[in-house]
Amino acid sequence: RKEVEQDPGPFNVPEGATVAFNCTYSNSASQSFFWYRQDCRKEPKLLMSVYSSGNEDGRFTAQLNRASQYISLLIRDSKLSDSATYLCVVLWPPSGTYKYIFGTGTRLKVLA
Amino acid sequence: GAGVSQSPRYKVAKRGQDVALRCDPISGHVSLFWYQQALGQGPEFLTYFQNEAQLDKSGLPSDRFFAERPEGSVSTLKIQRTQQEDSAVYLCASSLNRLPIKTQYFGPGTRLLVL
Repeated sequence: RKEVEQDPGPFNVPEGATVAFNCTYSNSASQSFFWYRQDCRKEPKLLMSVYSSGNEDGRFTAQLNRASQYISLLIRDSKLSDSATYLCVVLWPPSGTYKYIFGTGTRLKVLA
Repeated sequence: GAGVSQSPRYKVAKRGQDVALRCDPISGHVSLFWYQQALGQGPEFLTYFQNEAQLDKSGLPSDRFFAERPEGSVSTLKIQRTQQEDSAVYLCASSLNRLPIKTQYFGPGTRLLVL
């Protein structure tokens, strides 16, 4: 089993739709979780951290389910500009030093 | 106020050549990471520096890969005797604090193509 798994997509959704992505992680001791956004041929950029109680930033909502070891990202009222790859990132518990493990990313395409 | 910069942005190498990829982190950033991103994949961890100390190099795929950050600022990733499977985007990221951190700032990457 991969350490961090995501459905690669692509998810093709119309403008205004609500879309959700899940990400599962294998190590129950993982401590911190993030969603990054990566546009085509660009570098990843932090979208939001994921907190245990869930958190919202505008149209974006992130949630963590420790019992089932998954995190989710919900995008409401999708915009054309939301088209990108969304990377799930997990801070790996230390066996020496901490390490950030990235999922393969989920591609989203918002259609006009 | 500049972000992380990397050079060259593109590199074409013949198989067997040595290459050196440079990363200029944000000034004052303590942590520096190198990642390798193959097409259609997420970034894979290569190595981590805290200032000039290389604390983790467990992700380097072989002894052909070597990274350094001698003065705790600029870092160089060197790949010796390049192979076709080394073709990827090499991303550098820096962060103000030592691990664990919340935010890494990525550079634009170096696209390496080995023919």
